[in-house]
Formats: sequence, structure tokens, C-alpha cells
Amino acid sequence: QKEVEQDPGPLSVPEGAIVSLNCTYSNSAFQYFMWYRQYSRKGPELLMYTYSSGNKEDGRFTAQVDKSSKYISLFIRDSQPSDSATYLCAMSRDSWGKLQFGAGTQVVVTP
Amino acid sequence: EAQVTQNPRYLITVTGKKLTVTCSQNMNHEYMSWYRQDPGLGLRQIYYSMNVEVTDKGDVPEGYKVSRKEKRNFPLILESPSPNQTSLYFCASSLAEGLAIETQYFGPGTRLLVL
Repeated sequence: QKEVEQDPGPLSVPEGAIVSLNCTYSNSAFQYFMWYRQYSRKGPELLMYTYSSGNKEDGRFTAQVDKSSKYISLFIRDSQPSDSATYLCAMSRDSWGKLQFGAGTQVVVTP
Repeated sequence: EAQVTQNPRYLITVTGKKLTVTCSQNMNHEYMSWYRQDPGLGLRQIYYSMNVEVTDKGDVPEGYKVSRKEKRNFPLILESPSPNQTSLYFCASSLAEGLAIETQYFGPGTRLLVL
């Protein structure tokens, strides 16, 4: 069983809709939870990170962590075609070091 | 501009022919690592380095070597490539303490095909 599970999609939504992404994990030692965005033919770029449980909001993006359920989510409000990318969740025991990634979810926002 | 560079970006080679993928960062980061990305498996860490002359295995180190003789460079070496090493490779760097996550950068990737 993988340590981090993520539905690969693709997830197709119309422009303006809310995109909802999630990951589950099995290792309770994870403390840092990240979401990366990866455009085609590019490296991943950090979108948001959260330490321990709770919510974090940054513009149209909201990240949620529920450690009791071992479940994390990313919501994208008012989605735009430029949000079309693969979104990767990642987790770590430390604020640096090895990241454990999900498989990534491909998101397509159609105009 | 802060960046991680990788070369080459694309490479086609044959089984058994030694190759090196270079990685360089200009941010004076201590921590550097290599990942491979395969469909359905996400990114998996191959090797990492905490600083010069300090390296250790990640999750999938078999068939790879690394070295860290200078802080800015972290080459990935495939001494005898095999077709199962066909993949997309990413180098990453960050600080090695504090909120290093905020300082992490990934390179643009190297797509390798081993025939």
C-alpha cells in the first residue's frame, strides 16, 4: 500500500467552478503537508503548505488538513483555464528533507 | 534569479551506456535531492544530500549514483542504464533547516529514454 494515495483524475471542470482535490495517507508521523502545481513539461512548484492540522487560505486556494482522518484537501475557487495542471500532494516528517508524494491529479478547466 | 538547472533536458540512450545528468543551484542551499516521476507513482526520491560530501539513499536508489563535491552541484550518474530507468527526473534544492519547505525549488526536469 502506498503511503500517500491520490486519485489521478483527470478532473474536468468548467471555468468558475470549485475544484476539490484530496489525498489520504497512512503514516501518522507526517507533520508538513504540501500541495504542488505542475504544468506540462515543467517542474513542480510549491503552491501551499500546512503544518499539522487546520486550514490555510491564500487567495483562491484553501488547504485543509485533518490529521485524525489522515486526509488533506485543496480547494480552488473561481477556477480559471490557467489552473489547468497536475496537482501533487506531498508530505514530510520535517520542515525539510524527503517528501512523500501522491501520484498527482490532472485538472482541466474548460472555458 | 533563483533557479535549479538540469542538463540535458532530453536524452535518448542505449542500455549499458553510462550517463550523467547534471544539477546546479544558485541559492547556496545545503539540501539537494533527485526524484524520478513515473505515471501513477508520483515523484519518488532517489538520493539526497545534506551538504558537501554527505549523501544518502532515498526510496529508489538502485542503479544510480550521486556525488556532492561542491555545494551548488549534485550530478546523478547512471553507470549502466536499463530500460526500467526510462523516466522523468527532477533535481530539487532547499535550505536544510527552519522552514525549508518555503525555500524549495525544483529543476525543469530531464526526460530520459533508455532503449
